[in-house]
Amino acid sequence: DAGVIQSPRHEVTEMGQEVTLRCKPISGHNSLFWYRQTMMRGLELLIYFNNNVPIDDSGMPEDRFSAKMPNASFSTLKIQPSEPRDSAVYFCASSFGTSGSEFFGPGTRLTVL
Amino acid sequence: QQQVKQSPQSLIVQKGGISIINCAYENTAFDYFPWYQQFPGKGPALLIAIRPDVSEKKEGRFTISFNKSAKQFSLHIMDSQPGDSATYFCAAAPAGTASKLTFGTGTRLQVTL
Repeated sequence: DAGVIQSPRHEVTEMGQEVTLRCKPISGHNSLFWYRQTMMRGLELLIYFNNNVPIDDSGMPEDRFSAKMPNASFSTLKIQPSEPRDSAVYFCASSFGTSGSEFFGPGTRLTVL
Repeated sequence: QQQVKQSPQSLIVQKGGISIINCAYENTAFDYFPWYQQFPGKGPALLIAIRPDVSEKKEGRFTISFNKSAKQFSLHIMDSQPGDSATYFCAAAPAGTASKLTFGTGTRLQVTL
């Protein structure tokens, strides 16, 4: 079982650049979640999908953030343009049905200079 | 805004002692209460979970105690070990096919020798 796969694991970019984070959920899971974690704000839910459809994007900070899930095995979180305050660890998680148990990936540590 | 309040923010326990972390919730629709463990540089990992039809669940050294009337639940780590040093998050979710977890703010546990 490969678990949730995220790439890249580390990303360093300059302010104003576009950043794309990728996630492959656990096979068979039908819900996918994007979180952001910082020391100041803790673990924040940005957006989640169910059966590839965005259900709640109220946590997306602003229009610079967008997320897609074109199929059941792939999702992206894009930041354009990136800003230093976007520096954080971004986690993708997936779950199945009504279990409530979310399985997290290893995260992408994003640094925006 | 649905909330889960977690305390303490940090905790230091001697090896062999009992670590206790508490959470309280407001939304009576919550019916699933997991605890996550996060080591530095890793994603949160599901540790143990409970549903409100039982008042206690034990898995090895980890026990969840649940008080439905008080809307509180707690994690007890018996015989705490240095390897238990991590950040612990409580969470809660309502019933539903596309439910999402609401996380507490986390407790940083340090187990000393």
